This record gives sequence, structure tokens and C-alpha cells, in this order.
Amino acid sequence: SQTIHQWPATLVQPVGSPLSLECTVEGTSNPNLYWYRQAAGRGLQLLFYSVGIGQISSEVPQNLSASRPQDRQFILSSKKLLLSDSGFYLCAWTLNGEISQYFGPGTRLTVL
Amino acid sequence: RKEVEQDPGPFNVPEGATVAFNCTYSNSASQSFFWYRQDCRKEPKLLMSVYSSGNEDGRFTAQLNRASQYISLLIRDSKLSDSATYLCVVNEGRRALTFGSGTRLQVQP
Repeated sequence: SQTIHQWPATLVQPVGSPLSLECTVEGTSNPNLYWYRQAAGRGLQLLFYSVGIGQISSEVPQNLSASRPQDRQFILSSKKLLLSDSGFYLCAWTLNGEISQYFGPGTRLTVL
Repeated sequence: RKEVEQDPGPFNVPEGATVAFNCTYSNSASQSFFWYRQDCRKEPKLLMSVYSSGNEDGRFTAQLNRASQYISLLIRDSKLSDSATYLCVVNEGRRALTFGSGTRLQVQP
């Protein structure tokens, strides 16, 4: 069966520091991968999605970037964090051709 | 106007009650619809898809009204474990899903 991992689970970072969050999927190949952010008490905001290695689509312009160096690995990065980057970061996957998405356990980021 | 709108709640109901949530969507070209459940500080989990003819999964019933562009979720015989936030989710024909902000349900003993 398929599983999705995210790490770290929680992170506290100072403003201006870099960020790297990792997501990996097991048990499938060529998934579509997604990064979402959920601010406290708010809905999910789609940040990036990828349909294949090296293919990234950005939904919201901001100081974040994403990369997909391997088929089942999706990385979210920032060079300099802002206070407004605090939130719950969720990675999700779906099989090509399917619609419903499955989420990883998330990373809770606090920028101080 | 939000693409997917939900009453944030909270809905406070006693155990055993029947509760219903509605959700409206703005894009008439939307093709697929889902309900997700999100427990506090956890990831969303797929509860059920919503089909045009309506569908049932145990105590949960989902309905879709394309003419009025709304989706509903009915929970019968509420359990304490049903306490969570319920997210209405729509696919507008793109690769990504659009999530509502969620309706919070609190089932009380």
C-alpha cells in the first residue's frame, strides 16, 4: 500500500532563516505531488504541484520554491522565511488520472 | 466571492443527533466533489466522494445539487468520534483541488 512521509513534524525557525521541508511517497510510481499550506483557523492554500520529475507549477507567488529531484520526492524551500510563512504545511499525492488526494502527516512551522 | 464556501460552525450537537452541513461552490464547470475530515492538528483525510445521484456510507450521506451548486453531508446517529472539521472539496477540472475552510462539528455526551 502507498504511504506518504513528511519531515520534520514540527519546526521553529527565526525570521530570515532558510527552510527545507521534505515529502516522500512509497508504494507508487509517477504520482502527482502537491504542497499546501494551512494557516491557523484557515483553509488549505495550494502552493505548488508537480506531475513529474523537474516539473513544478506554482499557484501563488511568494518567497517559497519547490523541487522534485526524484519521482517520489518533493521538497519545499525558502531562502529567507517571513513571519507570514508560519503554518501547517501538507504534502499530498494522487495517481495520474485520479482526482482524490491523500495527505501526509504535515509539518507545523512556526517562524519567530 | 470564495470558490468554495462553508459555514465555519461550530455545530454543537448531542450524541445520537442528526446533523447536516452544506457547502456552495462558484464554478459551474466543477466536475468532482468530496468531503474530507480533519481532526485537530492533523492532516485531512478523505471521507467520501460525492456523486450526482447521492451516495451513502454507513451513517454518512452525501448529496450534490448541480443546479444550485451545493453539496451536503448528513451524519446520522452522531458519535463523539465524529467531532472534527469537515472540509468540502471541489475539482474544477484542473489538476488541483479547491478546499473550503471547513465546518467544525463538536458532538457532546
